[in-house]
Amino acid sequence: DAGVIQSPRHEVTEMGQEVTLRCKPISGHNSLFWYRQTMMRGLELLIYFNNNVPIDDSGMPEDRFSAKMPNASFSTLKIQPSEPRDSAVYFCASTPNYSNEKLFFGSGTQLSVL
Amino acid sequence: KQEVTQIPAALSVPEGENLVLNCSFTDSAIYNLQWFRQDPGKGLTSLLLIQSSQREQTSGRLNASLDKSSGRSTLYIAASQPGDSATYLCAVIGRGGSEKLVFGKGMKLTVNP
Repeated sequence: DAGVIQSPRHEVTEMGQEVTLRCKPISGHNSLFWYRQTMMRGLELLIYFNNNVPIDDSGMPEDRFSAKMPNASFSTLKIQPSEPRDSAVYFCASTPNYSNEKLFFGSGTQLSVL
Repeated sequence: KQEVTQIPAALSVPEGENLVLNCSFTDSAIYNLQWFRQDPGKGLTSLLLIQSSQREQTSGRLNASLDKSSGRSTLYIAASQPGDSATYLCAVIGRGGSEKLVFGKGMKLTVNP
């Protein structure tokens, strides 16, 4: 298996633009997570899905952020409109079973909002 | 609210030393604890997962221990190598098992040849 695949690897955009980050989890994994990593705050969980259903989105910073998982093999994280303070590395991760098994991370998307 | 702390934030050692990385958490009612490694520009790789009923887990030169009552875990790296240089993070899930995985901010390890 190729692991968790994220695209794009890097995204540079201007303030106010819409940004869409994409994730393909490992086949067979039931849980998918979106994290944001910054130097100041470390790793923050934004939202996680179980069997394609959003379980906890309390980490989503504000209404500008939205996430979808239309099927078991694809998820998106959208920021609209983007702001400079959204600049961070966004990670997607998946696991076969949330509580009992290791978490597998993608390589991340480095987002820069100018 | 669960908080995970890793001290020190960075460590630089010569090759060959045996290392102990520390992780502490404020709420001892955890479901499991994981240790991760992160290389620059990369995602996290899970190294070891310890269930709350376990005391330790081993993988190669790595050994992780868990003491729930004191809210501590240690990651022991034997005979460190330059390839071990990375940031190491620990994370815990609350007892319910469906709660968020809470991460520490990590410890940056540099092993000098």
